[in-house]
Amino acid sequence: DIVMTQSPDSLAVSLGERATINCKSSQSVLYNSNNKNYLAWYQQKPGQPPKLLIYWASTRESGVPDRFSGSGSGTDFTLTISSLQAEDVAVYYCHQYYSSPFTFGPGTKVDIK
Amino acid sequence: EVQLLESGGGLIQPGGSLRLSCAASGFTFSGYAINWVRQAPGKGLEWVSAISGSDSSTYYADSVKGRFTISRDNSKNTLYLQMNSLRAEDTAVYYCAKATGGSCYSSIAYWGQGTLVTVSS
Repeated sequence: DIVMTQSPDSLAVSLGERATINCKSSQSVLYNSNNKNYLAWYQQKPGQPPKLLIYWASTRESGVPDRFSGSGSGTDFTLTISSLQAEDVAVYYCHQYYSSPFTFGPGTKVDIK
Repeated sequence: EVQLLESGGGLIQPGGSLRLSCAASGFTFSGYAINWVRQAPGKGLEWVSAISGSDSSTYYADSVKGRFTISRDNSKNTLYLQMNSLRAEDTAVYYCAKATGGSCYSSIAYWGQGTLVTVSS
């Protein structure tokens, strides 16, 4: 099974500052035949279901603000919020859909400093 | 508008069985893989199972394999999760979650509001 880890567990960032969340997979999620990383990022606000932000590691979902960006390949990935807004307070999860079981990271909680 | 409405949750004793349903609308149901993802109170997300859109290939987490069965009825636009031999550690909100494509090797585009399953005596 592919184990997903995230760092940090939580972070507090000032409004307008950058927030960076890291995700690491225990094996590569890059599928060589199509050169795609099977890695997604989700945002979950309290009392709500998760929401897709990024898929294929760096493709932003329609309607997601461009302050959210994803990068990385193979086993190491990053979600960046370029300028944190109050509405970005949430828990963020990475998710690999490269191989079953399709595992999630433990989550990173983002708060305002 | 995509809608996923889960039902069937509730309080069940350890060792019991429960069947969850997910009624889908607003998209071509048979064209998409659907997942069940659960979240224990105050905890993170745990992928449970997935079924593809067309050939109904199924996949399970190790923690539920042999106890849970995922199925779909494309004529009724409904997804099911039959849960047997329930344990206290199965207590969670269960989300029905639509994939971005027909294959289970897809990200999850849309999540329902979830249904709470509580396993306790």
